Amino acid sequence: GNSVTQMEGPVTLSEEAFLTINCTYTATGYPSLFWYVQYPGEGLQLLLKATKADDKGSNKGFEATYRKETTSFHLEKGSVQVSDSAVYFCALSNSGGGADGLTFGKGTHLIIQP
Amino acid sequence: ETGVTQTPRHLVMGMTNKKSLKCEQHLGHNAMYWYKQSAKKPLELMFVYSLEERVENNSVPSRFSPECPNSSHLFLHLHTLQPEDSALYLCASSRDRGPSSYEQYFGPGTRLTVT
Repeated sequence: GNSVTQMEGPVTLSEEAFLTINCTYTATGYPSLFWYVQYPGEGLQLLLKATKADDKGSNKGFEATYRKETTSFHLEKGSVQVSDSAVYFCALSNSGGGADGLTFGKGTHLIIQP
Repeated sequence: ETGVTQTPRHLVMGMTNKKSLKCEQHLGHNAMYWYKQSAKKPLELMFVYSLEERVENNSVPSRFSPECPNSSHLFLHLHTLQPEDSALYLCASSRDRGPSSYEQYFGPGTRLTVT
């Protein structure tokens, strides 16, 4: 079956630091990969996605590259801000098109200190 | 109003109560989902509806009963819940099932506490 593993945190960084949140997955077929972000008191928002190997998703300074050989989709940002404090979820959807919704990791709580 | 809305945002109920959660999407989507978000656990998919027809039930206890009267509205009826059902319940929608369903839009959630 499908599964997603990500570092749980909390991850605490200073403003302007470099961010990496690791995500690896197990899936049959050729999944699409996503990063969602959840700010306090809100629902999940799609941050970025990649639908095939070697694709790079990017948004708001965040990037992640779909690495099929290492089954990974690590999230990176060169210089984080206090406003990036949130919980980040890595997720996959099997490209077989099933009605399974998304398979999520447990989420990584990111805290950025001024 | 745009996006996906959920009401109420917070709900406290006793184990013998009956309550309902409501979700409404203003995106013209055909598929809607209920997820449960508990502390320290991945989001759990509970129900999937496509064109108002339930297509998946991931072995959710019968004390949770979904209803989808049309493609814009989704309800989750609750009765005789247990304290371990306390969680954030998230609704989501997507344009369709299948490849285009990958991108899901989430509501803010209902924080449920069962006492």
